[in-house]
Amino acid sequence: QQQVKQSPQSLIVQKGGISIINCAYENTAFDYFPWYQQFPGKGPALLIAIRPDVSEKKEGRFTISFNKSAKQFSLHIMDSQPGDSATYFCAASNNNDMRFGAGTRLTVKP
Amino acid sequence: NAGVTQTPKFRVLKTGQSMTLLCAQDMNHEYMYWYRQDPGMGLRLIHYSVGEGTTAKGEVPDGYNVSRLKKQNFLLGLESAAPSQTSVYFCASSYRVGAYEQYFGPGTRLTVT
Repeated sequence: QQQVKQSPQSLIVQKGGISIINCAYENTAFDYFPWYQQFPGKGPALLIAIRPDVSEKKEGRFTISFNKSAKQFSLHIMDSQPGDSATYFCAASNNNDMRFGAGTRLTVKP
Repeated sequence: NAGVTQTPKFRVLKTGQSMTLLCAQDMNHEYMYWYRQDPGMGLRLIHYSVGEGTTAKGEVPDGYNVSRLKKQNFLLGLESAAPSQTSVYFCASSYRVGAYEQYFGPGTRLTVT
């Protein structure tokens, strides 16, 4: 059973557009929701994370929106740039467990 | 600081051969993890360790063994490689599990023929 479901699998956006990636989780005990960014040939790296006590967190062009009642959270990339082209993973964790989504390959066309 | 390093970067094995992947971290992290990454499957946890001398099974532990003899090192072993173990393997470390960043190594691409 996949505990964190991520969509879409792939996404193509024009430069300057908004990229949106969605995730849903099952386990209500999860209390930390990070997003990782992975460039080809590299390991994932933490991009931004949120706790469930807030509904939104913004860092530069990257925003996480969190809906606790729906058990869903999403990553919004504003003014998407070709340098944002990468694979993005959502994750959910608590003190005992951490699960990743299947990943979204984002391509930003110039 | 080198962060998390992995050796080797690439390896080709024949079915039935064995090998060990080495992970090292210089951040004094207690927790270390081994993941495999397959297309459309995301990152799946193989084994993890909460401290020197301790290991535990993750989601997909079958066919793998691990050891954590030193705090800074976490070894992943394949005793008898199978084509289904063709994957990219990532090691990661963190201060704790939960609301703590996991730092990933650059990965090892393993092909089993």
